[in-house]
Amino acid sequence: EADIYQTPRYLVIGTGKKITLECSQTMGHDKMYWYQQDPGMELHLIHYSYGVNSTEKGDLSSESTVSRIRTEHFPLTLESARPSHTSQYLCASSVSGGHYGYTFGSGTRLTVV
Amino acid sequence: GESVGLHLPTLSVQEGDNSIINCAYSNSASDYFIWYKQESGKGPQFIIDIRSNMDKRQGQRVTVLLNKTVKHLSLQIAATQPGDSAVYFCAERFPYGGATNKLIFGTGTLLAVQP
Repeated sequence: EADIYQTPRYLVIGTGKKITLECSQTMGHDKMYWYQQDPGMELHLIHYSYGVNSTEKGDLSSESTVSRIRTEHFPLTLESARPSHTSQYLCASSVSGGHYGYTFGSGTRLTVV
Repeated sequence: GESVGLHLPTLSVQEGDNSIINCAYSNSASDYFIWYKQESGKGPQFIIDIRSNMDKRQGQRVTVLLNKTVKHLSLQIAATQPGDSAVYFCAERFPYGGATNKLIFGTGTLLAVQP
């Protein structure tokens, strides 16, 4: 069954460390997204991509960066983690045309100590 | 900017009762709406969608109603079960034009089903 995968599920890391959150999807979706979500709160779009070599910043300013070298892979990187980056990060994908809904991954719960 | 908001942050219902979760959207040009369910520790899951040219759409135990006059969206869950306990998000698609497809999500409503 096609799906979208995020790793790791949980990550506790020290301040100043560089981290990469992985996101891969097997559905051939051209569009991918990263959302930041605090517990019980709304989803904030931080990055999106409409295809290979296309990346844009989202509505919420973020110190993270993303890359889209392959259709199926959309990693998010924090060069120097800070406690303010503690949050849940959700990856999603969608396909152009037709159904506009997103398929979400299970998320990465990041804690920076 | 434009946003989607929910009327009630928490809804508590008895098992077996019907649940109604409401959502107000602000963009009259939005042409597509979705309800997502997010269980604890998981990503949001698609429940049901509706296009702006429809007023009602039914799924299995769920119904979405769209009232474009007052820009209101609701999700009705029949015979609510403990497994329905989750945070529910509505989302709207504003047709920015071209191939853009961004959804605007509102603040979630926590549905708590009491046994």
